[in-house]
Amino acid sequence: AQTVTQSQPEMSVQEAETVTLSCTYDTSESDYYLFWYKQPPSRQMILVIRQEAYKQQNATENRFSVNFQKAAKSFSLKISDSQLGDAAMYFCAYISREGGSQGNLIFGKGTKLSVKP
Amino acid sequence: NAGVTQTPKFRILKIGQSMTLQCAQDMNHNYMYWYRQDPGMGLKLIYYSVGAGITDKGEVPNGYNVSRSTTEDFPLRLELAAPSQTSVYFCASRGTGASPLHFGNGTRLTVT
Repeated sequence: AQTVTQSQPEMSVQEAETVTLSCTYDTSESDYYLFWYKQPPSRQMILVIRQEAYKQQNATENRFSVNFQKAAKSFSLKISDSQLGDAAMYFCAYISREGGSQGNLIFGKGTKLSVKP
Repeated sequence: NAGVTQTPKFRILKIGQSMTLQCAQDMNHNYMYWYRQDPGMGLKLIYYSVGAGITDKGEVPNGYNVSRSTTEDFPLRLELAAPSQTSVYFCASRGTGASPLHFGNGTRLTVT
């Protein structure tokens, strides 16, 4: 069964600096998708970025980028020029392209990011 | 664009009561899900559906039931509420392929 591990329960960053959140996953499949979701105190789940495993190029969305290392099964999220509004829980998620677990996303336990002014 | 609509936003139940959490999506998504999120924790899958008329259990189905009579709607039924069901409940839907999950705004349920 696939698993997703976020080894950092909490992280802190100074405003305007860069922070990297770690995510590793375990799978025997070769084709899948990875996502990062943000959950601010409002409780909403917001998609931050997605990566398709067959694409070698790392995904980027404005200040958010990923470092996707397929062989190492690693999918870290880098947040540049951190802003106070980036403070939130961040969840890493995996899904098989074939919808292995009937199309279910498998989530990590989350990393709580604090941003210091 | 409504996306995924969950109702109610908040609810307090007494032990043993029942209720239905409503979820509707207007994106014609086949896949729909119910998750629960306990304080400080990640998301645990309760039930999911891959299309109208098809549902299956997730990681934590006990104490819950679902139905999927239409593509749009995926209600979650709590029978005989227990304090252990105090949580925030999220409904979500997705299309196929690399389509991400679209979440509702959540329902905060307290059972006392």
